[in-house]
Amino acid sequence: GQQVMQIPQYQHVQEGEDFTTYCNSSTTLSNIQWYKQRPGGHPVFLIQLVKSGEVKKQKRLTFQFGEAKKNSSLHITATQTTDVGTYFCAGNFNKFYFGSGTKLNVKP
Amino acid sequence: GAVVSQHPSWVICKSGTSVKIECRSLDFQATTMFWYRQFPKQSLMLMATSNEGSKATYEQGVEKDKFLINHASLTLSTLTVTSAHPEDSSFYICSAHTGNQPQHFGDGTRLSIL
Repeated sequence: GQQVMQIPQYQHVQEGEDFTTYCNSSTTLSNIQWYKQRPGGHPVFLIQLVKSGEVKKQKRLTFQFGEAKKNSSLHITATQTTDVGTYFCAGNFNKFYFGSGTKLNVKP
Repeated sequence: GAVVSQHPSWVICKSGTSVKIECRSLDFQATTMFWYRQFPKQSLMLMATSNEGSKATYEQGVEKDKFLINHASLTLSTLTVTSAHPEDSSFYICSAHTGNQPQHFGDGTRLSIL
């Protein structure tokens, strides 16, 4: 079946350090979405990338979609404690398959 | 933004009970609703895709007779966990989707089977 691989599984950073999580698909995606989930909560939509090579920014968050539309990354510059949570990508294969998620912990 | 209501948010019941979970899109018509299950510290696993007026499409390994899905309208889908057992305890989340728009999630239902 379709799979979206996501790494790393965990990331512990000091506040102010940068953070990146990567997603990779074996097949071309229609689009890819990124979500953030806090413990006990539901996934909250962050962004959708559609075009090959697309780069979108939301304040300290930068999202990239690969040229082949098979991989994507989320980069957070100068992390803050409010960035704590699990970040998931979800690849669109006419239905959505989630990556395994990257749990980010930020030490103040 | 789009709102998806999921009810109930928490269910505790005895083994053998059937549990129905509702997912409603409140301010838009969802052509498709997805049902996911999430075990602690794990990712969301797609269980089934539900399209209004047609039979749900189940992912490999998901028993359709165990997890009954009814998508009666463009704003309502229900998931019934039949004869639930402790191994069915999990966090169940629905999402509603239309066109090329992002999927919008309900708040989830935490199901505990004793």
